[in-house]
Amino acid sequence: AQSVTQLGSHVSVSEGALVLLRCNYSSSVPPYLFWYVQYPNQGLQLLLKYTSAATLVKGINGFEAEFKKSETSFHLTKPSAHMSDAAEYFCAVSDRDYGGSQGNLIFGKGTKLSVKP
Amino acid sequence: KAGVTQTPRYLIKTRGQQVTLSCSPISGHRSVSWYQQTPGQGLQFLFEYFSETQRNKGNFPGRFSGRQFSNSRSEMNVSTLELGDSALYLCASSPWTDDGNTIYFGEGSWLTVV
Repeated sequence: AQSVTQLGSHVSVSEGALVLLRCNYSSSVPPYLFWYVQYPNQGLQLLLKYTSAATLVKGINGFEAEFKKSETSFHLTKPSAHMSDAAEYFCAVSDRDYGGSQGNLIFGKGTKLSVKP
Repeated sequence: KAGVTQTPRYLIKTRGQQVTLSCSPISGHRSVSWYQQTPGQGLQFLFEYFSETQRNKGNFPGRFSGRQFSNSRSEMNVSTLELGDSALYLCASSPWTDDGNTIYFGEGSWLTVV
């Protein structure tokens, strides 16, 4: 069965510091991987996705993630944190073999990012 | 292009009642899925519909049901509400391609059961 583990339910960084949010996945087949962000009282917004085209994926708002098969990881990074990055971040996996549909995502528990001035 | 629209945004129901939530997908998207988000359980998949057919279902009791109409709009229904059904219900839509579909989420419907 597929699963996603996000290490650290809360991460706090200073403005301008590196952001690193960790995600490890478990999948029996090459997965599709996603990072979503959720601001308070809002839905989920896609930051980036991995579909095997490239191991380093660039997303919106300066975020990027690197797929490492050997480590079964898909960590999210941003070189310099901004106050507006404060939100909750979710890593998700989808079964590539599931008929092409990604309607069924398995989400991690989420990591709340705080940014200190 | 309008995003995924969910109605109502907020509602309060009494235990034992039923509730229907509505979702309009992005124009041209034929797949609609529903998720429940709670502080304790996080984001959990409820079900997915494509062309009016349920393609996949999560591990929820039969009180949770859904349907999709010919225009791809979807509704989900929860009968005999329990306090634990209080949650944010998120609808998401996606196109039907083979290239790592992106799922686009709505703002959600906040359900409080009292």
